[in-house]
Amino acid sequence: KAGVTQTPRYLIKTRGQQVTLSCSPISGHRSVSWYQQTPGQGLQFLFEYFSETQRNKGNFPGRFSGRQFSNSRSEMNVSTLELGDSALYLCASSFKQGSEKLFFGSGTQLSVL
Amino acid sequence: GENVEQHPSTLSVQEGDSAVIKCTYSDSASNYFPWYKQELGKGPQLIIDIRSNVGEKKDQRIAVTLNKTAKHFSLHITETQPEDSAVYFCAASKAGANSKLTFGKGITLSVRP
Repeated sequence: KAGVTQTPRYLIKTRGQQVTLSCSPISGHRSVSWYQQTPGQGLQFLFEYFSETQRNKGNFPGRFSGRQFSNSRSEMNVSTLELGDSALYLCASSFKQGSEKLFFGSGTQLSVL
Repeated sequence: GENVEQHPSTLSVQEGDSAVIKCTYSDSASNYFPWYKQELGKGPQLIIDIRSNVGEKKDQRIAVTLNKTAKHFSLHITETQPEDSAVYFCAASKAGANSKLTFGKGITLSVRP
């Protein structure tokens, strides 16, 4: 069974640009969660999608948004990039909605210059 | 909200020795406690989890113990091997459909050959 796939692996953007990250969950998983990982703040929850609907949201500004498609694939978008958005963005999938038994992808490393 | 703290921040052990990593949490309503292992260049991988109605859980060389009264839980790794070297994250949540994980900042475990 293929694991969680995130693309692209690396991204370099400049301030003010926007970016879209993609996540393909494990086959059969209907929940996709996104986390931001930085050396200073650790892993922080962004949002969770289940059956194409956002079910839960963390404490991030509205510049961070996402969506989920009917095949459970998810995208995350960050608009008007700031230097502080530089981070590893991790996607996790699970069979059920919620926080249990999350399977993480390898992440997208975003650098904002 | 929930606050999860890990200590120590780094741990070095000799191959074959045991390692113990401790975490504390603040929200007494939390009832799900997973541990994740993150190797360089990869996303976190769930290695063991425990619910609040269980005091201890074992899986081969790994065990987790939970003390609800003191609000702390620990990861125990016996007979450590070089491949156990990684960053270990503890997390806590109120298990359920709208739950989200709150992670500790992580501990870097180094196993010396």
